[in-house]
Amino acid sequence: AQSVTQPDIHITVSEGASLELRCNYSYGATPYLFWYVQSPGQGLQLLLKYFSGDTLVQGIKGFEAEFKRSQSSFNLRKPSVHWSDAAEYFCAVGAGNYGQNFVFGPGTRLSVLP
Amino acid sequence: DAGVTQSPTHLIKTRGQQVTLRCSPKSGHDTVSWYQQALGQGPQFIFQYYEEEERQRGNFPDRFSGHQFPNYSSELNVNALLLGDSALYLCASSSSQGGDTQYFGPGTRLTVL
Repeated sequence: AQSVTQPDIHITVSEGASLELRCNYSYGATPYLFWYVQSPGQGLQLLLKYFSGDTLVQGIKGFEAEFKRSQSSFNLRKPSVHWSDAAEYFCAVGAGNYGQNFVFGPGTRLSVLP
Repeated sequence: DAGVTQSPTHLIKTRGQQVTLRCSPKSGHDTVSWYQQALGQGPQFIFQYYEEEERQRGNFPDRFSGHQFPNYSSELNVNALLLGDSALYLCASSSSQGGDTQYFGPGTRLTVL
């Protein structure tokens, strides 16, 4: 069965510092991979996605992620964090016959210090 | 272009009652998926509707049922509510014409007392 792990439950960084959120997945075929962000009480906003091709993908808000098949990882990065980036971040893998039922990780909560 | 919309925003029910949640997909999308997100957890897949039929289902009991209408909007019904059904219910829409990206609505917060 497909699964997604996000090893870090909570991360705190200072504003302007760099950020890396880890994501590891387990899936038998080529995965469709996604990162979503959720602000308190809100729905999920898509940051970026990987289907195929270039393993370094760019997303919105200055985020990027790198797919590493050998490590089954899809880590999210940002070179300089802004206070508005404080939120919950979810990694997801597209699974199922049509690749459209997502399996989400447990999430990583990001706090940003001024 | 309206995104995914859900109603109501909040709902309070008591154990044993039944509830219906509604979702309108993003314009141009024909597939709707429902997810349950318990507090402090990631969303869990309930089921997906396409062409007015349930196409896939996650590990949820038959108390959870749904429907998709000809205009692609969808309903999630939960019968015999339990305290453990308290959660944020998220609707996501996507297109069957390629691009397996799901776009999420703001969710409905269900509280069961």
